Amino acid sequence: QKEVEQDPGPLSVPEGAIVSLNCTYSNSAFQYFMWYRQYSRKGPELLMYTYSSGNKEDGRFTAQVDKSSKYISLFIRDSQPSDSATYLCAMSRGNTPLVFGKGTRLSVIA
Amino acid sequence: SQTIHQWPATLVQPVGSPLSLECTVEGTSNPNLYWYRQAAGRGLQLLFYSVGIGQISSEVPQNLSASRPQDRQFILSSKKLLLSDSGFYLCAWSSRRDSPADTQYFGPGTRLTVL
Repeated sequence: QKEVEQDPGPLSVPEGAIVSLNCTYSNSAFQYFMWYRQYSRKGPELLMYTYSSGNKEDGRFTAQVDKSSKYISLFIRDSQPSDSATYLCAMSRGNTPLVFGKGTRLSVIA
Repeated sequence: SQTIHQWPATLVQPVGSPLSLECTVEGTSNPNLYWYRQAAGRGLQLLFYSVGIGQISSEVPQNLSASRPQDRQFILSSKKLLLSDSGFYLCAWSSRRDSPADTQYFGPGTRLTVL
């Protein structure tokens, strides 16, 4: 079983839709959770960071962590064509390198 | 603020030729440094990481090597490139002093094509 599983998509949604992106993981020691956004031919950029369980909101983006289910989510409200990118989840036990999911490719159609 | 540079941005090399990719970080000291490869349509593969000058950990055995000659400089090398070395190479840095989460910040990447 891989440490982090992420559906590669592609996921195609109409503009204005609510998008839900998810990752599952197997290592219960993970306690730091991140989402990165990567545009085509660019380096990933940090989007959201969450420590332990709970929700975190930043504008149209909400990150959710459920440690009991080993499941994390990223919600995008009122999705825009500019949100079209690959979204990678990442997690860490702390003081160890991040473990990344393979990424989900999202297309928001105008 | 911190900035990370990578060069070259694009590289086309013949099979069997050497490789040298460079990464430098500005605005921070004693960063952790990372090299990743991202093949077309695939995830990030951690190749090397370094917690200090001369300290390199290799994650995947292959014909690539890494060196850290200065605190904020990380170099990825190969003596003889293979076709399978083609991909998008990303350098990243983090500061565990400031973040136990190992939050990483990525450079713009180098797209390598081996022909």
